Amino acid sequence: AAGVIQSPRHLIKEKRETATLKCYPIPRHDTVYWYQQGPGQDPQFLISFYEKMQSDKGSIPDRFSAQQFSDYHSELNMSSLELGDSALYFCASSLGGGGEQYFGPGTRLTVT
Amino acid sequence: DQQVKQNSPSLSVQEGRISILNCDYTNSMFDYFLWYKKYPAEGPTFLISISSIKDKNEDGRFTVFLNKSAKHLSLHIVPSQPGDSAVYFCAASALGGTSYGKLTFGQGTILTVHP
Repeated sequence: AAGVIQSPRHLIKEKRETATLKCYPIPRHDTVYWYQQGPGQDPQFLISFYEKMQSDKGSIPDRFSAQQFSDYHSELNMSSLELGDSALYFCASSLGGGGEQYFGPGTRLTVT
Repeated sequence: DQQVKQNSPSLSVQEGRISILNCDYTNSMFDYFLWYKKYPAEGPTFLISISSIKDKNEDGRFTVFLNKSAKHLSLHIVPSQPGDSAVYFCAASALGGTSYGKLTFGQGTILTVHP
C-alpha cells in the first residue's frame, strides 16, 4: 500500500540558509501534520492542514511556514536556519482530520 | 509540561513472554490514544489505538487497555518476538475538541526482546 512520502530524506544547510521539506500524503488522505523530533526527544507537533486550510498550530517558530496544495501535498518552509533546527522532521497524514495518523520516513535536517 | 508520560525508558523481555508498556496522561481532554513503534531512521509505525469510550482494544498480539479514571493506558504484546524490539511511543489526541487530531507523544520506551 502507498505510504507517506517525504523528500528529501537528508538535508544539510548552513546557518541563516533556507530549507524546504516536502510531504506527499497517502492517496485520498486530506489532512497533513508536521512534527519535529530533536535528538533523544519525542516528536513535537508543529502545524497541520485539513482540506488545504491550516487546522492547528503548535510550537512552530515564526521563521517557519507551511502550506497544503491542491493535490494535498504539503511543504514546510524554514528560513534563517539555526543550529537548534537540526532535527528529524516527520510528516503524517490521516483521513478526515483525526484518528490514526500514518507517518512518513522523515527528513533529517542538519544545520551547520 | 509533559502531558503524556512513559516513565520506563526501557524494558527487557524474553522471547515468548508478555511485554507490558505503560503510559500516563494528565490532560482530561484527551479522548483518543495510539501506540506507535519506531525503528531508528524510520518514521513511527501505527500499531493500535483506542477511543476513550472503550477500555480495551485487541489486534492480534497487541492489546491496549485504557483506565480513564487513573488516566493510564498500557500496551500488552503477547507473545513477544525479537522483531518487536524497537522504541514504542504512546500518543494522545483530543478529537472532541478543536485540535483536529494533533498528537501529543510520550518520551518513548525502548523494548528489547531477547531470543
